[in-house]
Formats: sequence, structure tokens, C-alpha cells
Amino acid sequence: QKEVEQNSGPLSVPEGAIASLNCTYSDRGSQSFFWYRQYSGKSPELIMSIYSNGDKEDGRFTAQLNKASQYVSLLIRDSQPSDSATYLCAAHTTSGTYKYIFGTGTRLKVLA
Amino acid sequence: KAGVTQTPRYLIKTRGQQVTLSCSPISGHRSVSWYQQTPGQGLQFLFEYFSETQRNKGNFPGRFSGRQFSNSRSEMNVSTLELGDSALYLCASSVGTGGGTDTQYFGPGTRLTVL
Repeated sequence: QKEVEQNSGPLSVPEGAIASLNCTYSDRGSQSFFWYRQYSGKSPELIMSIYSNGDKEDGRFTAQLNKASQYVSLLIRDSQPSDSATYLCAAHTTSGTYKYIFGTGTRLKVLA
Repeated sequence: KAGVTQTPRYLIKTRGQQVTLSCSPISGHRSVSWYQQTPGQGLQFLFEYFSETQRNKGNFPGRFSGRQFSNSRSEMNVSTLELGDSALYLCASSVGTGGGTDTQYFGPGTRLTVL
């Protein structure tokens, strides 16, 4: 049973549009959440972290967290072709065991 | 501050051989986690070390082992290599002391090819 779920995509959006990436998690003990971007053949790179319910903005990126619905999302405004990558959602929990749980990622394609 | 480093970056081995991968975490980070990434399986958690002790372990066979040294550097060993072990092996470090703000940072990875 997967504990962090993401739609594998690909999600295709035109250049300049808003890309919306979603993630659900099953462990209510998860305390913090992370979005990583991974280009093909490269390692994951941290984009954003979010710990509290609500929105957190950083440049063109906005992370949203709803702990009641166990839902995390990432919005990318003014999407650029360079945003084309796989986006990994991760949940961190210290309940029971200390661990990070990753989703399988959503592949985003931004069309020029 | 220097990032997470991994050596070697690329490795080619044959079935039955063994391999050792190395990871140096960000200065001040005491937790090192290892992941295997393959196209079909995504990121699979291998194990996590904190202060020289294995704190958490994924569902991999005993051929996969690791250790952590007093300077927080970590090594991962795979014995009796199989074709299916071909993957990108990623190391990630974090402060590791718990709390909601602990964040993992990844190294560049070691690409292992088993022939």
C-alpha cells in the first residue's frame, strides 16, 4: 500500500500557464512535506517544504497543505519549458519510525 | 556550505561482484539515507543511519548493507551483484534530530550498471 500517492502523468501545460501538481498521503503522523524536482538522469533537488496548513509561496512556486484532507499540492505559475521534469512529493514522519516517504512522482511537460 | 557528495559517480560491474559506494553529508548533518532509483520503481528507501547507528531499514535483501562513520560519512555495500541492481543510488543527508523542519538534501547519485 503506497503511503504517498501522485498521478504519474505526464501533465502537459502550455508555456506561461499554471501547472498544478497534487499529492495525497495516508500517514496522519506526517509532520512536514517536501517537493523535489528531478530532471532526467539527475538527482532530486529541493523546491519547497511546507509544515503548516495553508499556502506557502516562493517565487513562481506555491505549496498548499491541507492536513485534514491529507493533501499537498504544488502550483507553478508562468510555467517555462525548463520546468519540464518529474516532481516528487515527500512526507516526513517521526511517528513510529523516523522516515521520509516519497511518491513515485509526476512528470510535467511544459510545451513551448 | 558544500552539498552532499557521492563517489564514484559511475560504476560498471559484472554479476557476482560486490561494490561499495560512498557518501559525505552536508557539514553538521548526522543523518544519511540511501535510496535506489529505477525507472519502474521510483525512489526505494534502503536504510538510514544516524550517529553511526542504523535507525531505519527498507525492504531490501541482506546483500545490501551500510555503515556510518564518526564523521557522519556513510558507505553502502552491495554484495553478489545481480542485473536488477542496476540503478541510480542516491544518498540524502539531513540534520536528523527530528522535528518538523528536518529536510533531506540529495547528492548527485552513483549510477551503477551491472553487466
